[in-house]
Amino acid sequence: GAGVSQSPRYKVTKRGQDVALRCDPISGHVSLYWYRQALGQGPEFLTYFNYEAQQDKSGLPNDRFSAERPEGSISTLTIQRTEQRDSAMYRCASSPNGGIEAFFGQGTRLTVV
Amino acid sequence: GQQLNQSPQSMFIQEGEDVSMNCTSSSIFNTWLWYKQDPGEGPVLLIALYKAGELTSNGRLTAQFGITRKDSFLNISASIPSDVGIYFCAGLRGASGSRLTFGEGTQLTVNP
Repeated sequence: GAGVSQSPRYKVTKRGQDVALRCDPISGHVSLYWYRQALGQGPEFLTYFNYEAQQDKSGLPNDRFSAERPEGSISTLTIQRTEQRDSAMYRCASSPNGGIEAFFGQGTRLTVV
Repeated sequence: GQQLNQSPQSMFIQEGEDVSMNCTSSSIFNTWLWYKQDPGEGPVLLIALYKAGELTSNGRLTAQFGITRKDSFLNISASIPSDVGIYFCAGLRGASGSRLTFGEGTQLTVNP
């Protein structure tokens, strides 16, 4: 597609459920990033991939969060046993070659009730 | 958590006025970037600064990378209604492709 596509756009889930958020980067982009953005805050880094390799996952808050990019294209961010504090906008971004300009998707708004 | 202090948090200006916002950090960044976020959209890169002291312009936007590498400012001249949005500074410590650290954003409102 023309831009970074994320799905679903909105997700409401009950506390304790697992959720999987999907990111489809711009075709051919090597690097893929996941950020979390709370209301009124800037994006906060979670993890990033070059091709299928996870380069840095130091921003993942705890072991309930995991991400994969098995074929170096689409990525999934999974949150297990969701908690209310996980509610936020989750943004994915991709860049052609790990360069400075990362193109952001519209995000997935996660609400844990 | 956030390590960049961005100010002001919000600004209300009249169309045609100039705007200035800045960002400071307690630690050094090798690259500074400024993004704009429209409602319902992701951040879009406006300007990237790569060298301490660098002054870069992009149309009505001008940004500078502080000499100490711990601060940056963004100026918008002759504001127009479509400048409305949230402006974020972001810093990059390592090589390209590594993590960005974002400020908390400046909400800009332009009254026609």
